[in-house]
Amino acid sequence: NAGVTQTPKFRILKIGQSMTLQCTQDMNHNYMYWYRQDPGMGLKLIYYSVGAGITDKGEVPNGYNVSRSTTEDFPLRLELAAPSQTSVYFCASSIGQASTDTQYFGPGTRLTVL
Amino acid sequence: QKEVEQDPGPLSVPEGAIVSLNCTYSNSAFQYFMWYRQYSRKGPELLMYTYSSGNKEDGRFTAQVDKSSKYISLFIRDSQPSDSATYLCAMRAGNNRKLIWGLGTSLAVNP
Repeated sequence: NAGVTQTPKFRILKIGQSMTLQCTQDMNHNYMYWYRQDPGMGLKLIYYSVGAGITDKGEVPNGYNVSRSTTEDFPLRLELAAPSQTSVYFCASSIGQASTDTQYFGPGTRLTVL
Repeated sequence: QKEVEQDPGPLSVPEGAIVSLNCTYSNSAFQYFMWYRQYSRKGPELLMYTYSSGNKEDGRFTAQVDKSSKYISLFIRDSQPSDSATYLCAMRAGNNRKLIWGLGTSLAVNP
């Protein structure tokens, strides 16, 4: 099992450009999450999904969009990149069982917006 | 007041020391408590998972939860340079899958 994979590893965008961060998991997990991590600020939840076709906003959704057409994939879209979106982005997944649910993380995408 | 408070450190200890990392929280509904370890430029990985109050031990690591004080701890015995990382606490209420995170404590274990 590869677990949670993310592409690309690094990206530099110009202000106003768009891009999609890819996330795939092969653990048949129902739940998937997108976080951003800024120095000294911890992990902030952007969006999450409880299954294919169902997504919901997290703490910091502005400037981002998501879709979940399959169980495996949960892409994150940045439409008009802004310097405030410079961050490290982590995708995570979990099986969704109430008593044992734990999140497994991908390696991250380091994004710089100039 | 944040729901979860964690001292960001940095914490620097000599090899072989006992390390104590802590988080406090304000929401009495939290039932599930986790510690994640994050190496530099990597994603967080689950280290310890506990439910409700009590202790859980796994090798050199012990997780402790005191729900009456709303306080959780992670102890690392015989610390090694390979333990140098950021340690994040996370917790959630019963039916809520969303985790509430601490900011993380940066630990350096010096040979």
